[in-house]
This record gives sequence, structure tokens and C-alpha cells, in this order.
Amino acid sequence: GENVEQHPSTLSVQEGDSAVIKCTYSDSASNYFPWYKQELGKGPQLIIDIRSNVGEKKDQRIAVTLNKTAKHFSLHITETQPEDSAVYFCAADQGGKLIFGQGTELSVKP
Amino acid sequence: GAVVSQHPSRVICKSGTSVKIECRSLDFQATTMFWYRQFPKKSLMLMATSNEGSKATYEQGVEKDKFLINHASLTLSTLTVTSAHPEDSSFYICSALARTMTEAFFGQGTRLTVV
Repeated sequence: GENVEQHPSTLSVQEGDSAVIKCTYSDSASNYFPWYKQELGKGPQLIIDIRSNVGEKKDQRIAVTLNKTAKHFSLHITETQPEDSAVYFCAADQGGKLIFGQGTELSVKP
Repeated sequence: GAVVSQHPSRVICKSGTSVKIECRSLDFQATTMFWYRQFPKKSLMLMATSNEGSKATYEQGVEKDKFLINHASLTLSTLTVTSAHPEDSSFYICSALARTMTEAFFGQGTRLTVV
């Protein structure tokens, strides 16, 4: 089955800097890769996603890149703000269900 | 985006009792709902997949007699934790997917504490 590895587990950046979170997956049949932001005590919120027919997608300060050959995808957050502080999860689709990475706790220091 | 409502948001129960958690899709018909469990500072682990009108499919290692899932309508799925024990304390999260959708939407989660 699918296995998703996410790094780093924690990331601390200064406000205004960029943050990058990376994930690798094992099942080459996966073709949908969402990223979620989870704030304390709340459910995950989808922030951006990418499908296998696209190499990069951008939405304002957030971008995701996908390398299908290498089976890895990354989340890029530019001009970070304190409100970006949260736990971020990557996921890979496996026949309709999502397999999640271990999560990255992002801390943006003002 | 679509709205998924999960209730209750927090519940405390005594050991040995059963607790029911509801997951509702408010503005769409969810043909499939997923139930996840999340331990503190851990990732989401899929417990089971339920399709409306049929039995749920449980992931390996999840006790189907302990975690009863019912998906009786296109807008409601329930997870019942039976004979709860302190080790069942966790954050339970549902997500819902319509046949016409490309991604599932998550509920806000339920914090279960068994004392």
C-alpha cells in the first residue's frame, strides 16, 4: 500500500521568510496530492492540492510542486506570517482514501 | 467549499459506556465518508471507509465491533465507540466525499476523553 513520508517534523522560520515542507510517496498509482493545515483542536483544512498531470500549482503565497518520476512533492509558503503557524499535512490518494504524512509543525516567529 | 459538520466537538464519557459521533454533510450528498483517528501530535490514521447504504470497510487493525460505523443516508454517517476504554481517548475526524467531487471535506473533529 501507499506510504507517505514527510519532512521536517518541525520548522521554525522568521516572519517574512519562506518555508518548504517535503513529502515522498511510494505508490506510483497515486495521482492526487493535497496539503492540509490543521490548527490546534480543529480538523484539517485543505489549502492546496495538485494532480499528477501538473508539475506546479500556485495560490497567492502558497505553491506546490510535484515530481512524479521521483515520487515527491513539496509545499512552499512565501512571505510567512504568524498566522501561518500550524501543523501541515501532506497526503496521497489511494483509491479514494487519503494516506497522510506525519505532519510538520510550522512556527513563524514575529 | 462544502461544509461537513461533526458533533459533538468534545465528549467525556465513563469507561464501559458507548459514545456516538455524528458526521453530516450540510450542503451536498456524501456517497462516501471516511473516519480517521488522530493521537496527540500524530498524523491522521484512516479507520474505515463507509459508502451510503452498505457496510463499512475497516482498515487493518481496527476492530469493527468496537467502532461501529453506520452510513444510513447520503448526509449522515455515525461512529459509535462501544464499551469505551481510556485508550480510546483520541481525536476522531470524519471526511465526506460526493461522487461529483474531486476532494473530500473534513469535519472539525471530536475530542473523546474516556475516564
